[in-house]
Amino acid sequence: GAVVSQHPSRVICKSGTSVKIECRSLDFQATTMFWYRQFPKKSLMLMATSNEGSKATYEQGVEKDKFLINHASLTLSTLTVTSAHPEDSSFYICSAQPGLAGVETQYFGPGTRLLVL
Amino acid sequence: QQQVKQSPQSLIVQKGGISIINCAYENTAFDYFPWYQQFPGKGPALLIAIRPDVSEKKEGRFTISFNKSAKQFSLHIMDSQPGDSATYFCAASPCNAGNMLTFGGGTRLMVKP
Repeated sequence: GAVVSQHPSRVICKSGTSVKIECRSLDFQATTMFWYRQFPKKSLMLMATSNEGSKATYEQGVEKDKFLINHASLTLSTLTVTSAHPEDSSFYICSAQPGLAGVETQYFGPGTRLLVL
Repeated sequence: QQQVKQSPQSLIVQKGGISIINCAYENTAFDYFPWYQQFPGKGPALLIAIRPDVSEKKEGRFTISFNKSAKQFSLHIMDSQPGDSATYFCAASPCNAGNMLTFGGGTRLMVKP
């Protein structure tokens, strides 16, 4: 089956630093990737939709200058949490969708746990 | 505003029993209803999904029941096993909306041996 990887799997950083999280589709080309945020024991909240070669579309309430998304190739999207603060600590999950495929073929990555001290 | 409401928040079932998780939605534009299984520290994995043109879909021990008029759908796990212990999320996606998924609040299932 299709595989989506995330790197790193977990990261601990000091407040004020920036953290980059990578999402890769390993065996397919992903025109669209999604970034979600999940707090402990809570549901997944969509942060933004990332389309290859164009600007990401952010959900209401998500600061685009805080969470920078770059989808520079068909297999890689990155989420950079700029000037991270303790309230940004969360589980970040990406999903990727092959080509023009429908929502049925959206595959999720294993997630990245971010802890900001 | 929570567009997909999921219940219960937690569920304990004995091994061999039936686990039932329910979801309700408001947006009539939703036309794809998947269920995801998530283990601690992992991303969600698609379990089973249904579209509104059928009222039930079964895959192995997992069954989705769909009631379009009531705008409700449920997941039934037959012969529940300890390995089924995980968090389950229902979700919904509207047609012509860029394949965005709206997730329910999740149900933590524990299957006791």
